[in-house]
Amino acid sequence: ETGVTQSPTHLIKTRGQQVTLRCSSQSGHNTVSWYQQALGQGPQFIFQYYREEENGRGNFPPRFSGLQFPNYSSELNVNALELDDSALYLCASSFRRLQETQYFGPGTRLLVL
Amino acid sequence: DAKTTQPNSMESNEEEPVHLPCNHSTISGTDYIHWYRQLPSQGPEYVIHGLTSNVNNRMASLAIAEDRKSSTLILHRATLRDAAVYYCILREGGSTLGRLYFGRGTQLTVWP
Repeated sequence: ETGVTQSPTHLIKTRGQQVTLRCSSQSGHNTVSWYQQALGQGPQFIFQYYREEENGRGNFPPRFSGLQFPNYSSELNVNALELDDSALYLCASSFRRLQETQYFGPGTRLLVL
Repeated sequence: DAKTTQPNSMESNEEEPVHLPCNHSTISGTDYIHWYRQLPSQGPEYVIHGLTSNVNNRMASLAIAEDRKSSTLILHRATLRDAAVYYCILREGGSTLGRLYFGRGTQLTVWP
């Protein structure tokens, strides 16, 4: 069984640019959640996608958007990058049910200069 | 979601038991207690979860206080590979929304 993978592993962008991060879910999972983890902090929930629709959102502005594809892979898009967007972006896949276990990928490290 | 309180850091020697505490005094009757851990340079991984009764799995044990206002994650024999940040998280019982609220967790250091 293939685990959750994310690409790229590292990325450097400049302020004002746009970025797309990608996530491949674990086989059999239909839900993807995205998290932002600043240095020294715990991950913060951005949003979740279930069957290609957004299914809950954390306290992030609309310039953070996402997609989920029919094969349950997902993208996180961030427009108009700000310096504070520098963080580790984590994707987690799961099978939607009560108290489900989330399986995290290794993350994409984004640096905004 | 209700909040949890954990010590910032703890230390242990290899092969000794480790008890990681978590306070959740505002827990509701339907909240489940989940633990995840994050090893260096990796994403978080699930450890264990429970509602009222103590739980055991191959990784750890979860001891839940009778009033459910606190819980303890028990690693029976710490290894160097257990060095990680451990997060205690409460999840609403009736919700299928996969929103995990992470605090800053407890950084566990294991000495050889």
